[in-house]
Amino acid sequence: SQQGEEDPQALSIQEGENATMNCSYKTSINNLQWYRQNSGRGLVHLILIRSNEREKHSGRLRVTLDTSKKSSSLLITASRAADTASYFCATDATSGNTPLVFGKGTRLSVIA
Amino acid sequence: KAGVTQTPRYLIKTRGQQVTLSCSPISGHRSVSWYQQTPGQGLQFLFEYFSETQRNKGNFPGRFSGRQFSNSRSEMNVSTLELGDSALYLCASRFEEEQFFGPGTRLTVL
Repeated sequence: SQQGEEDPQALSIQEGENATMNCSYKTSINNLQWYRQNSGRGLVHLILIRSNEREKHSGRLRVTLDTSKKSSSLLITASRAADTASYFCATDATSGNTPLVFGKGTRLSVIA
Repeated sequence: KAGVTQTPRYLIKTRGQQVTLSCSPISGHRSVSWYQQTPGQGLQFLFEYFSETQRNKGNFPGRFSGRQFSNSRSEMNVSTLELGDSALYLCASRFEEEQFFGPGTRLTVL
């Protein structure tokens, strides 16, 4: 069963706007990761945030983690048409020895 | 370094047949995981192999099996295919906490 649940399921924005996706999970985690998937292809790792971190940045990506609320958010700033993809959060309970558990994803459409 | 490769990329089978999918991880990665992705269920973990041993297993019937070879290449097999097995099957090799995914094998069962 899914550990993470992304919200919203779909998001449509104009190029240049910011996109925010949220992820909620159920059990304790060691880290939470965000992945991107283009059109039914393989997933690409975007960013990892550990349970003792609250915020992390990577280029136009900003991830926050609130372990008390068991939630995370992914912000993509100044979005581009090339950001159109599905975004998944995945939780890692033990940092490498148990499988990642993925949510169902947010489908982001960036309109040029 | 070459990425994770999966073969074949597309496959069409009929109910009752069996299928074998192959995955070659990134050189030096010893962990290989398999996932099934469908529109309804999302990404579901099948199993993980590490140094030729199954380390973790998801909640799938015994028709789904896998193995890993000494060169870390992995195969998964699905026997007695059902319509519901139509999906994108993704393989990922793992280094520490990060997983690197292949492009997937799109299996269609008719």
